Amino acid sequence: QQPVQSPQAVILREGEDAVINCSSSKALYSVHWYRQKHGEAPVFLMILLKGGEQKGHEKISASFNEKKQQSSLYLTASQLSYSGTYFCGTLKAAGNKLTFGGGTRVLVKP
Amino acid sequence: DAGITQSPRHKVTETGTPVTLRCHQTENHRYMYWYRQDPGHGLRLIHYSYGVKDTDKGEVSDGYSVSRSKTEDFLLTLESATSSQTSVYFCAISEISGALGTDTQYFGPGTRLTVL
Repeated sequence: QQPVQSPQAVILREGEDAVINCSSSKALYSVHWYRQKHGEAPVFLMILLKGGEQKGHEKISASFNEKKQQSSLYLTASQLSYSGTYFCGTLKAAGNKLTFGGGTRVLVKP
Repeated sequence: DAGITQSPRHKVTETGTPVTLRCHQTENHRYMYWYRQDPGHGLRLIHYSYGVKDTDKGEVSDGYSVSRSKTEDFLLTLESATSSQTSVYFCAISEISGALGTDTQYFGPGTRLTVL
């Protein structure tokens, strides 16, 4: 079952913060975050494992709440380069068949 | 850059014609995947391969077949293309880390397919 991402879209001014959530109705083993710019391939950002620590990439960090089966992606002090669509992919068990959410479109304006 | 190429990058075809998309990798990765991406649906797995001649279905496999006769090539075939198969198709590769029990998937540049 596809994880649910929220919000579907967000518009930011440069320097502002945003949070993107990825929720599943099933217990999760790991959550994978990707960013995709228009017309390009998705690019890996980070993996969060069950029981693991919060991860970071540039000023983008993420957490994984096992009780809620939810991961949150934090865009801190956003930059123009953060614009794109963010996808979470989830695994219910160790392995490699990711199920992706519908994506969250982020637009960072000057 | 994970050494993944896809061909063709763009294709326009007519309903009922067969179409084959090619994914080529240069780094000997065991796992290869085919996804389709449509607005509002994110990325959906069509088929994947865990070795030469070893393939399995994903969540949207109807109307698609795959083959992997060499480690470096993973082919996706639409036996008789339909308009509902108009999409952007991404190939991906990965290796599973024994320590993590999971891995990172790296995506190719994509193929935009239009079925008229």
